[in-house]
Amino acid sequence: NAGVTQTPKFQVLKTGQSMTLQCAQDMNHNSMYWYRQDPGMGLRLIYYSASEGTTDKGEVPNGYNVSRLNKREFSLRLESAAPSQTSVYFCASSEGGAGAGTNEKLFFGSGTQLSVL
Amino acid sequence: DQQVKQNSPSLSVQEGRISILNCDYTNSMFDYFLWYKKYPAEGPTFLISISSIKDKNEDGRFTVFLNKSAKHLSLHIVPSQPGDSAVYFCAASWPGGADGLTFGKGTHLIIQP
Repeated sequence: NAGVTQTPKFQVLKTGQSMTLQCAQDMNHNSMYWYRQDPGMGLRLIYYSASEGTTDKGEVPNGYNVSRLNKREFSLRLESAAPSQTSVYFCASSEGGAGAGTNEKLFFGSGTQLSVL
Repeated sequence: DQQVKQNSPSLSVQEGRISILNCDYTNSMFDYFLWYKKYPAEGPTFLISISSIKDKNEDGRFTVFLNKSAKHLSLHIVPSQPGDSAVYFCAASWPGGADGLTFGKGTHLIIQP
């Protein structure tokens, strides 16, 4: 059981380049999330998708776009990368959204280390 | 404004002793709290959770205590083992919100031999 799979694991970009981070889950979960982790900042929510066909901004959405391609896949796009977007990006999924009791438990992928030069 | 606070960036504990990690929150709407454990180069993994209707939840060596009046929760690990060395994140959610979990900044637990 793969759980949440993210690709790529590492990426180096130049300022202004674009790229898409891919995420897929095989647990038939309804909700999917993108977080970024920076030193001393914890995990901050970028975007989330409470169900297929819907997406919403999180705490730090500027500079990013997302696509919920289907129930399994949720991608994160950087249109014009900036050094401030150097971070570790985590995709996560959950059976239900927040407020759903034990369904709030998130399952995380192993992360993408992104460096923007 | 940080709604979930872990004020200790790091904690060093001797193997076999009790580790106590603390977490404070400001949003009284939070009703579900979780602890995640993270090893380097891996994603966070769920450890233990507690609902606001309880004040204690236990799972093997791990116990979470919730003090709603103080808006404080703590994770106890007894006895601490070398494999417990990791970063621990406290997280919270509130009813009706679909915006995932709100995380603290994490505490790096180091278990000394």
